[in-house]
Amino acid sequence: QSVLTQPPSVSGAPGQRVTISCTGSSSNIGAGYDVHWYQQLPGTAPKLLIYGNSNRPSGVPDRFSGSKSGTSASLAITGLQAEDEADYYCQSYDSSLSGSNYVFGTGTKVTVL
Amino acid sequence: QVQLQESGPGLVKPSQTLSLTCTVSGGSISSGSYYWSWIRQPAGKGLEWIGRIYTSGSTNYNPSLKSRVTISVDTSKNQFSLKLSSVTAADTAVYYCARVSIVVPIAGAFDIWGQGTMVTVSS
Repeated sequence: QSVLTQPPSVSGAPGQRVTISCTGSSSNIGAGYDVHWYQQLPGTAPKLLIYGNSNRPSGVPDRFSGSKSGTSASLAITGLQAEDEADYYCQSYDSSLSGSNYVFGTGTKVTVL
Repeated sequence: QVQLQESGPGLVKPSQTLSLTCTVSGGSISSGSYYWSWIRQPAGKGLEWIGRIYTSGSTNYNPSLKSRVTISVDTSKNQFSLKLSSVTAADTAVYYCARVSIVVPIAGAFDIWGQGTMVTVSS
């Protein structure tokens, strides 16, 4: 029951730029809650890629960048590399009449052609 | 460097209670800067937050699972645990424990994850 919507897949050739959108609503991203992004390589746990909308943890290449506007956020990967082939998830916080909880996006599979 | 490790049965019968423990190493679970969470992922599907606990024992749960979930903490063992009752096949998933910072600007992000443990619900 993901409340954050992402495209199922995106693809690009090595060296290209790809972007992944994350669409929410007024009870989560639009309410001002931060968006975080995770990379999940096959068979492994998710890894924090971007926090606080646009900040990279130590060790994450600057090819990865994040932004947020209104009820949406985006992750951009520039200079796409084969090792970037993975699933990517956005995450935020949602507060509504039914309760409050952390929410994840539906996930996007990035394929390097 | 803080590490998390899940442990518990990999097979649970329908209607029984799933029990998992997360052991924190390389740091204290009593640090006031973090919540400690459980997240799950069915095979081939997305991530679902289950709940979180603070060192004080204060908890918050996903409204969709609240009636079946209990998360507890044992600071003496540097562990926190998950109990999910009345399980069905729909609860079959990889279960992760993770740390959530409460310090800006990384507040609300799951910055450290365990490797995950597969739990199958089947008779």
